[in-house]
Amino acid sequence: QVQLQESGPGLVRPSETLSLTCTVSGGSVSSDSYYWNWIRQPPGKGLEWIGYIYYSGSTNYNPSLKSRVNMSVDTSKNQFSLRLNSVTAADTAVYYCARDRATIIGDFHYYYMDVWGKGTTVTVSS
Amino acid sequence: DIQMTQSPSSLSASVGDRVTISCRTSQSISNYLNWYQQKPGKAPKLLIYIASSLESGVPSRFSGSGSETDFTLTISSLQPEDFATYYCQQTYTSPRTFGQGTKVEV
Repeated sequence: QVQLQESGPGLVRPSETLSLTCTVSGGSVSSDSYYWNWIRQPPGKGLEWIGYIYYSGSTNYNPSLKSRVNMSVDTSKNQFSLRLNSVTAADTAVYYCARDRATIIGDFHYYYMDVWGKGTTVTVSS
Repeated sequence: DIQMTQSPSSLSASVGDRVTISCRTSQSISNYLNWYQQKPGKAPKLLIYIASSLESGVPSRFSGSGSETDFTLTISSLQPEDFATYYCQQTYTSPRTFGQGTKVEV
């Protein structure tokens, strides 16, 4: 079955750029059936959706992070990536990648995150 | 943004109890509501989608109901492995938002 695995530095200096990659195995990031998400969870807190990317490269970002976020997809490596610039301590969190599956009923498209990576902890500190 | 308010924030229960968790949204989202379970140190797991559809492999003691602005997750008979934090999420509009979570404790 499909599995996702996050990778990247566990420590990032303030004001620098956080870069993470999610590798998809058992499935294809090029499928037109799915969107590919990033979600984060600060220590002891709830979940925050960062955004998603489609295999074509189209994106949808959370407005709260939009000015600092960039996502990309590499179909040749079956990966998608997150870059978050100008990080501060508030960006310290567990970062998850997740697949969006859709159910289509008539004209309505329902999305839900059915496969998640295990998460990777990123600490912003000097 | 659509605000998601879960209640209670935490609850204490015993094995065998019937547990209900509420999720209210700041505006109508039809049935674009999902529920996730998260155990400590683990990624969230999809339980319910489209408000009431049970994800494959999820035990039938979990059920979801509701529409528009009021939704409920019910665990009919709590099992030891169900002690976890539960989140609702809306995908009606962007940005997608989650509730703050409900922790189910012994």
